[in-house]
Amino acid sequence: EADIYQTPRYLVIGTGKKITLECSQTMGHDKMYWYQQDPGMELHLIHYSYGVNSTEKGDLSSESTVSRIRTEHFPLTLESARPSHTSQYLCASRGFEAFFGQGTRLTVV
Amino acid sequence: AQSVTQLDSHVSVSEGTPVLLRCNYSSSYSPSLFWYVQHPNKGLQLLLKYTSAATLVKGINGFEAEFKKSETSFHLTKPSAHMSDAAEYFCVVSDSGGYNKLIFGAGTRLAVHP
Repeated sequence: EADIYQTPRYLVIGTGKKITLECSQTMGHDKMYWYQQDPGMELHLIHYSYGVNSTEKGDLSSESTVSRIRTEHFPLTLESARPSHTSQYLCASRGFEAFFGQGTRLTVV
Repeated sequence: AQSVTQLDSHVSVSEGTPVLLRCNYSSSYSPSLFWYVQHPNKGLQLLLKYTSAATLVKGINGFEAEFKKSETSFHLTKPSAHMSDAAEYFCVVSDSGGYNKLIFGAGTRLAVHP
């Protein structure tokens, strides 16, 4: 069983709120990723990190930001949520293969 | 640049019949390839991985995949489908170089009928 955790699993918030999606792993992996996935659709890479203090934007433009202050922790923040941010957000960490969290399903109303 | 093409967006089979999910990749380097499965409202689970040790890779739940360099393919198969196999399947290639980004295919939705 992979040791990567995302909280919350489900979140419904109002427009304009600031939110942080949490992702933690206990495997000591340097590489971590955030993907955005709409229902029934493919995954799009929005952020990645290759270690502490290293973050890069992914292939899909996103208004979110990330930080990597500790190896095990890779939170994603939306400063002002909008309905267009409604989606599922998946966090992953990688040694050789990637391990995924259960995801956070975000709804902005 | 590397890319992945999953040739079928939907596949429907009867329980007990074989499953074939097709994946083609493009790569300038010797790739690392993976298949992941996603059940509804769940995260992704690794089914199997190709690491260049053997071209026929066996995974969990009776799935296997064969790496064919000449055809740039990595198709996923299972001899006999179960109802519990109904899910979304993603073929993934690892980016070359030191960055190792994972590049996902668009996914194939597998339906299994009684």
